[in-house]
Amino acid sequence: SQQGEEDPQALSIQEGENATMNCSYKTSINNLQWYRQNSGRGLVHLILIRSNEREKHSGRLRVTLDTSKKSSSLLITASRAADTASYFCACYTNAGKSTFGDGTTLTVKP
Amino acid sequence: EPEVTQTPSHQVTQMGQEVILRCVPISNHLYFYWYRQILGQKVEFLVSFYNNEISEKSEIFDDQFSVERPDGSNFTLKIRSTKLEDSAMYFCASREDINQPQHFGDGTRLSIL
Repeated sequence: SQQGEEDPQALSIQEGENATMNCSYKTSINNLQWYRQNSGRGLVHLILIRSNEREKHSGRLRVTLDTSKKSSSLLITASRAADTASYFCACYTNAGKSTFGDGTTLTVKP
Repeated sequence: EPEVTQTPSHQVTQMGQEVILRCVPISNHLYFYWYRQILGQKVEFLVSFYNNEISEKSEIFDDQFSVERPDGSNFTLKIRSTKLEDSAMYFCASREDINQPQHFGDGTRLSIL
């Protein structure tokens, strides 16, 4: 498997429910970032978590990082229809090279 | 809030022609990047640029590709002789330093005919 793999590939939930997406990677990283992409648009930065951090919050978003398992998760609480998008994790090395995962397509039904 | 801007939003080019994609990174950012995303696929790293030179590049970034920062504001990606498989969205990104978030432009959709 490749650096920065997300699962699930697709997630469909009802408005108000929580959505959890996971990301795994293989090599050492400097930091990991989560992005959102609406169809045909650019990537919007959500949260950056450094390799020495374990958890970060931003509004309804919570990101965890477990470097021993080489994995990260993104939790969106109290989801809204507007959260419908694709979500990507990207792993960044010290040299600045990044690897994106295939993404999770989230559909939040009103 | 400052943004990364990319022009044009859509570029249509004949196969074999040269194309230049333009980006204006956020003004105080020092690290610059190009990515591409083929329709329906994931974002792929092409190249990173710092201190007026390439710091990292991927296998995709072959001799047909080059980047330049011709002045203090623009960052360009040139594809010398385009192929059909170069059709994709190309995203520029920048960041202030290696521990800060990358900010992406809205992309240029490149269509090779």
